[in-house]
Amino acid sequence: GNSVTQMEGPVTLSEEAFLTINCTYTATGYPSLFWYVQYPGEGLQLLLKATKADDKGSNKGFEATYRKETTSFHLEKGSVQVSDSAVYFCALTDRGSTLGRLYFGRGTQLTVWP
Amino acid sequence: DADVTQTPRNRITKTGKRIMLECSQTKGHDRMYWYRQDPGLGLRLIYYSFDVKDINKGEISDGYSVSRQAQAKFSLSLESAIPNQTALYFCATKSPTQETQYFGPGTRLLVL
Repeated sequence: GNSVTQMEGPVTLSEEAFLTINCTYTATGYPSLFWYVQYPGEGLQLLLKATKADDKGSNKGFEATYRKETTSFHLEKGSVQVSDSAVYFCALTDRGSTLGRLYFGRGTQLTVWP
Repeated sequence: DADVTQTPRNRITKTGKRIMLECSQTKGHDRMYWYRQDPGLGLRLIYYSFDVKDINKGEISDGYSVSRQAQAKFSLSLESAIPNQTALYFCATKSPTQETQYFGPGTRLLVL
């Protein structure tokens, strides 16, 4: 089946620290991979995505590379800011399915201190 | 204005009561989804709809029902609420030609 495993949080960092949030997946088909972010009191927003192996998604200084050989899609940012404090969700969708649903990881709470 | 709206944003109800959560979208998407978020569990799919006449169960549909009143409106009902339905509920929409889903702000439901 399809599933996503994220590193457990919470993650607490100082401003300007380097961030890595690990994400691995299992998929029956050929998935597209996503990172969604949920700021306090808000819904989920797409942060970045990648649709095929070796693709790198990037947005707002965040990056993630689709690694088929390790079935991973780790999120990284070189220098976090207080405004990056949020919950981050790794997700996949099966491109071979017409359903279009997302399979989510459990989410990782990130808190950045000034 | 937000593309995907949900009402109410917060709701407290009692066990056994019927409650409806509403979702509206202005994105013109035909696909709509209801998810439930519980702490430490991510989001799980309750129901989804491809158009007004096409409604399907997700992985945790027991205790829930839905209604697709129009392309833009997709409502989730709890026929007889129970405490373990306390959660954050999200509606999402999607175009059939794109992979990105667009989420509403969520409804926080507390069942006492």
